[in-house]
Amino acid sequence: QVQLVQSGAEAKKPGASVKVSCKASGYTFPNYGISWVRQAPGQGLEWMGWIFVHNGDTNSAQRLQGRLTLTTDTSMSTAYMELRSLRSDDTAVYYCARVHTAAGTGEIDSWGQGTLVTVSS
Amino acid sequence: SYELTQPPSVSVSPGQTARVTCSGDALPKKYAYWYQQKSGQAPVLVIYEDNKRPSGIPERFSGSSSGTMATLTIRGAQVEDEGDYFCYSTDSSFTRGVFGGGTKVTVL
Repeated sequence: QVQLVQSGAEAKKPGASVKVSCKASGYTFPNYGISWVRQAPGQGLEWMGWIFVHNGDTNSAQRLQGRLTLTTDTSMSTAYMELRSLRSDDTAVYYCARVHTAAGTGEIDSWGQGTLVTVSS
Repeated sequence: SYELTQPPSVSVSPGQTARVTCSGDALPKKYAYWYQQKSGQAPVLVIYEDNKRPSGIPERFSGSSSGTMATLTIRGAQVEDEGDYFCYSTDSSFTRGVFGGGTKVTVL
């Protein structure tokens, strides 16, 4: 079955960077994309961006452009999300999710367990 | 930027029908998806491509879409259906994804 396993919780200071990993299994990694979604405490889901694994193309939310980098290592079936210049309002649970890219639907059908990133001085 | 709009809350009694709406300008051309999220858990897909139900999702969950509005319907809602429900779609150019603000469904 499809599984996405994320790295553990992180505590960072303002201005630092964080890199979260997401290891995929149970499907052919290049045939789908990986989307990143975050959820601040008590808030809704925020789409951050996605990466099309087969060609490395990325798109991200305008408010995160310049701070967000999405990459993959196809040999390890692993996706990475790096967020730089962290601020306190970046404190959130960060999810990776499998996204259908071939048909152009953008469907998200499977989620990782989430990674809590806390930004505090 | 593109937005999807949901009501903040919906409340029904057990056995009644709960309806959650999601409005967005690109919905006539793009599918809507619905996710259920319970406290402390990752979201779960309950409806895909407007009206399809993944395996394992109870038949009481259904979806529809007309014009700029998509609707999630829970017929015969049960206490275990309580949670937050989020609609999701993409912009018309398939550049970015977007989530609605979420609707808290209460069954009591």
